[in-house]
Amino acid sequence: DTEVTQTPKHLVMGMTNKKSLKCEQHMGHRAMYWYKQKAKKPPELMFVYSYEKLSINESVPSRFSPECPNSSLLNLHLHALQPEDSALYLCASSPLENYGYTFGSGTRLTVV
Amino acid sequence: EDQVTQSPEALRLQEGESSSLNCSYTVSGLRGLFWYRQDPGKGPEFLFTLYSAGEEKEKERLKATLTKKESFLHITAPKPEDSATYLCAVRITGNQFYFGTGTSLTVIP
Repeated sequence: DTEVTQTPKHLVMGMTNKKSLKCEQHMGHRAMYWYKQKAKKPPELMFVYSYEKLSINESVPSRFSPECPNSSLLNLHLHALQPEDSALYLCASSPLENYGYTFGSGTRLTVV
Repeated sequence: EDQVTQSPEALRLQEGESSSLNCSYTVSGLRGLFWYRQDPGKGPEFLFTLYSAGEEKEKERLKATLTKKESFLHITAPKPEDSATYLCAVRITGNQFYFGTGTSLTVIP
């Protein structure tokens, strides 16, 4: 299995809603990442997990809450988002050293 | 300050018209340079990893090269299905990438 699977593919949520994005990989990668990508912009790093521990938080607002329940799963909990948070949210994984990422197909999030 | 710059921002080619995309970087502790292809609304798809100056990698119509300051992605005789955004990224010491802003390639039949 050489894939990173993200669900859902599309999500529309109101500003008072609570929702979660899910990411799963079975490649034995011990680093997992959340990226945010706005239209016609490169991906921006949000969080890095190494060995299920949060190692990097790029000053992301607290309305985004990551969770890594085990080495195969990564969640992003969303609460009280703003319309400007609408974007493509990408999950990726990698072995820890000197390898490229494998990206999922992303979740297209729209906040209304 | 670490920087990754891609040029041109957009490129339109006729089918069969070869060209090159550029990725310039100023980073300390480079641990690898990566090329990705991204189609609209999809996640980036890995193409190549380059680790040291002078290294080259090829895949079908694509060839990536690396110097101490930049990388080139050469596209030979492109086809319309090569149309996509091409992203380069550098891994520095630590466990994170810096992405360039990408080159949007359109190949016209």
